[in-house]
Amino acid sequence: DTAVSQTPKYLVTQMGNDKSIKCEQNLGHDTMYWYKQDSKKFLKIMFSYNNKELIINETVPNRFSPKSPDKAHLNLHINSLELGDSAVYFCASSQGLPGQYYEQYFGPGTRLTVT
Amino acid sequence: DQQVKQNSPSLSVQEGRISILNCDYTNSMFDYFLWYKKYPAEGPTFLISISSIKDKNEDGRFTVFLNKSAKHLSLHIVPSQPGDSAVYFCAASEGYGGSQGNLIFGKGTKLSVKP
Repeated sequence: DTAVSQTPKYLVTQMGNDKSIKCEQNLGHDTMYWYKQDSKKFLKIMFSYNNKELIINETVPNRFSPKSPDKAHLNLHINSLELGDSAVYFCASSQGLPGQYYEQYFGPGTRLTVT
Repeated sequence: DQQVKQNSPSLSVQEGRISILNCDYTNSMFDYFLWYKKYPAEGPTFLISISSIKDKNEDGRFTVFLNKSAKHLSLHIVPSQPGDSAVYFCAASEGYGGSQGNLIFGKGTKLSVKP
């Protein structure tokens, strides 16, 4: 039974399109995150939500809009896709707030390719 | 500006021997450190963590050592098994709440355990 799931696993689209990535966790965690792993393989935090409220936004362009309908879901919508958005996007969740000594559990990732 | 550095991009070890993965950090405010393992096309999987009040934490074949004065931590895997072959990420965070609790990841070290 998957703890953190993401759909789709692969997404190929053209520049200028709008796309969404969905994430769900069944761990009962309060906090969910989106990370981006770029071509240099660095994993960087983009957003963090706690109980549906945004708590971290790491200066991500406003073309990226996370939405949390409930604390088990955190979806990522991207408008006007650009070539530089090509990356692997990971969703994660944790029991407590960032910095509260709780490990984060990651989903399998969504590989986004913008052509 | 990399706050978490894994200077060895790859490491090759014989099965049954010890694997030692190293990680250096620059931010003296980091107080929680984690290791993640990642297989291709999967998300990172939590392995082991340590808080700054400890200098060692052990879980089965995995031991993490923290040297705060040197701002260095290491992951020891004994004995190494072929299934341990993966990319290992070091991560660190500081404080509680807000951006200070972000997990900052290193670039990863690819471990190959040869039978």
